Amino acid sequence: AQSVTQLDSQVPVFEEAPVELRCNYSSSVSVYLFWYVQYPNQGLQLLLKYLSGSTLVKGINGFEAEFNKSQTSFHLRKPSVHISDTAEYFCAVCMIYNQGGKLIFGQGTELSVKP
Amino acid sequence: DTEVTQTPKHLVMGMTNKKSLKCEQHMGHRAMYWYKQKAKKPPELMFVYSYEKLSINESVPSRFSPECPNSSLLNLHLHALQPEDSALYLCASSQERRLNTGELFFGEGSRLTVL
Repeated sequence: AQSVTQLDSQVPVFEEAPVELRCNYSSSVSVYLFWYVQYPNQGLQLLLKYLSGSTLVKGINGFEAEFNKSQTSFHLRKPSVHISDTAEYFCAVCMIYNQGGKLIFGQGTELSVKP
Repeated sequence: DTEVTQTPKHLVMGMTNKKSLKCEQHMGHRAMYWYKQKAKKPPELMFVYSYEKLSINESVPSRFSPECPNSSLLNLHLHALQPEDSALYLCASSQERRLNTGELFFGEGSRLTVL
């Protein structure tokens, strides 16, 4: 069965500290990988995506992620966080079938940046 | 213009009411989606339209009825809802359903409260 696991439901961190949000997936078919961010009372916004090519992907707001096929992981990192990064972060995997893709979300990680 | 616009932003309805949620995109996308999101949970897929045809219905109760009048518009008709249907309803679009050209673009959502 296909699944996405975000290993931490909550990550508290101090401003200007580095952060890593972890995501592992399980799939028997090819995948595309995404990280989305959701600020309070808003929809989801794409941070970054991996479709093919270089396994290190850079996104908006200084975030980056590395696709590791052998470990089936796609962890999100930022070297120095800001208060404004406080939000819910969702890892998502698109399983590629003949009929099209289906996006599966992880349970989310709440990033809380404290001054 | 990369927006997905949803109306209304907030909706309160009784269990006997009939109401509709509306979604519009002008990015030329050919796939449109309805998701339901409960607090502190990931979005759950409800329906997918591809080229104006319903391609996925995730076993959603018939009190939710989707409609795609044209390639830019997506409606969700609501009738005889239950209090547990209260949630944030998110509309999204993508260039194609396979997502091989990129990501989902989400609207800000319609927050529904059923009394």
